Amino acid sequence: EPEVTQTPSHQVTQMGQEVILRCVPISNHLYFYWYRQILGQKVEFLVSFYNNEISEKSEIFDDQFSVERPDGSNFTLKIRSTKLEDSAMYFCASSAEDEQYFGPGTRLTVT
Amino acid sequence: SQQGEEDPQALSIQEGENATMNCSYKTSINNLQWYRQNSGRGLVHLILIRSNEREKHSGRLRVTLDTSKKSSSLLITASRAADTASYFCATDARGAQKLVFGQGTRLTINP
Repeated sequence: EPEVTQTPSHQVTQMGQEVILRCVPISNHLYFYWYRQILGQKVEFLVSFYNNEISEKSEIFDDQFSVERPDGSNFTLKIRSTKLEDSAMYFCASSAEDEQYFGPGTRLTVT
Repeated sequence: SQQGEEDPQALSIQEGENATMNCSYKTSINNLQWYRQNSGRGLVHLILIRSNEREKHSGRLRVTLDTSKKSSSLLITASRAADTASYFCATDARGAQKLVFGQGTRLTINP
């Protein structure tokens, strides 16, 4: 069964550094998403992406964040200058219609 | 704001018993989805129920939706130790793609 994959599974970075989180959505899906989950808290929506542009974003998704679909298979989330509060589990999801399928997540630790 | 809120926050039952989790939300929705998350892992899609549906089944799962009360329930029948996980409901508002998650119910199945 097709699934969303994410790399790396765990990323440790220093405050102020740039990180790129990578995702490979399910191949016939057209809608892509990023969510995050701070430890012990709810899963929060960051951004949705369709037809090579952002279709919706949350207040969390400020100028420090960007997304890109650099080729036909990858979908990336870049955080330009990481802060301690960016430490969280980041989930990529994709959908063809209404069901959103999530990847296993990247645990980002900012020190 | 639209939110899915699960009840109870934690539930502990014996293997073989049925587990019922509830979710409430605040605004009109297109769909409501239930997800499972094992500790520190990704979100596994369980079932989607549309706003014009009242009940849906998938294996040992039964989901109901009452749009007049803005609530949903997830019933897991004949529970197994492997069902131990956190369960989340997520709603999407009309005209929006983002999912809004609740805090989740932590389900423990005791052997």
